[in-house]
Amino acid sequence: ETGVTQTPRHLVMGMTNKKSLKCEQHLGHNAMYWYKQSAKKPLELMFVYNFKEQTENNSVPSRFSPECPNSSHLFLHLHTLQPEDSALYLCASSPGGTSIDEQFFGPGTRLTVL
Amino acid sequence: AQSVTQPDIHITVSEGASLELRCNYSYGATPYLFWYVQSPGQGLQLLLKYFSGDTLVQGIKGFEAEFKRSQSSFNLRKPSVHWSDAAEYFCAVGGNFNKFYFGSGTKLNVKP
Repeated sequence: ETGVTQTPRHLVMGMTNKKSLKCEQHLGHNAMYWYKQSAKKPLELMFVYNFKEQTENNSVPSRFSPECPNSSHLFLHLHTLQPEDSALYLCASSPGGTSIDEQFFGPGTRLTVL
Repeated sequence: AQSVTQPDIHITVSEGASLELRCNYSYGATPYLFWYVQSPGQGLQLLLKYFSGDTLVQGIKGFEAEFKRSQSSFNLRKPSVHWSDAAEYFCAVGGNFNKFYFGSGTKLNVKP
């Protein structure tokens, strides 16, 4: 596989469930990102990892918990979510930790919280 | 505070017509500016970026954008739109410590 992949592509969960989103990049990049995309709102940066270290937590509620075991994999663990958390969750990677790098995005996970 | 504004939520143009998508940013330092495109069911793909030099930048798929510091704008243009250009377009600015700020997007419809 090439590029950035995300699984699952679609997820429906109840508010009491625990689930995880997975992202994998095959580009040899050192930075990975989670974004939330809601209708008619700007993309919201959630978390940034550089060389496996979390460098940004954009005031994200604790019911979202990221994990980056290595530079190629990024997870987003979900628990006790709210209906307003329903959105498209995008993963991205970039070569390094600078703001001039192009980001490469995965196709996203469409999350619905019932 | 840093922000990106895309004033047009939807735009419809006829195939073959020219296109301009507007983007205004608010950023204290020299910005790094990007345009991304998102097709249905896909992630975002970079069209072009600006971080220094010539203020008119060329991108993929025949797109170009012009950085105008005095207007805090980075508008995207294409001289002749193709039906395959129908998608959603996002302007973004890169800030400190690899933080990125995106606009709300502009959905482009192309009429035959």
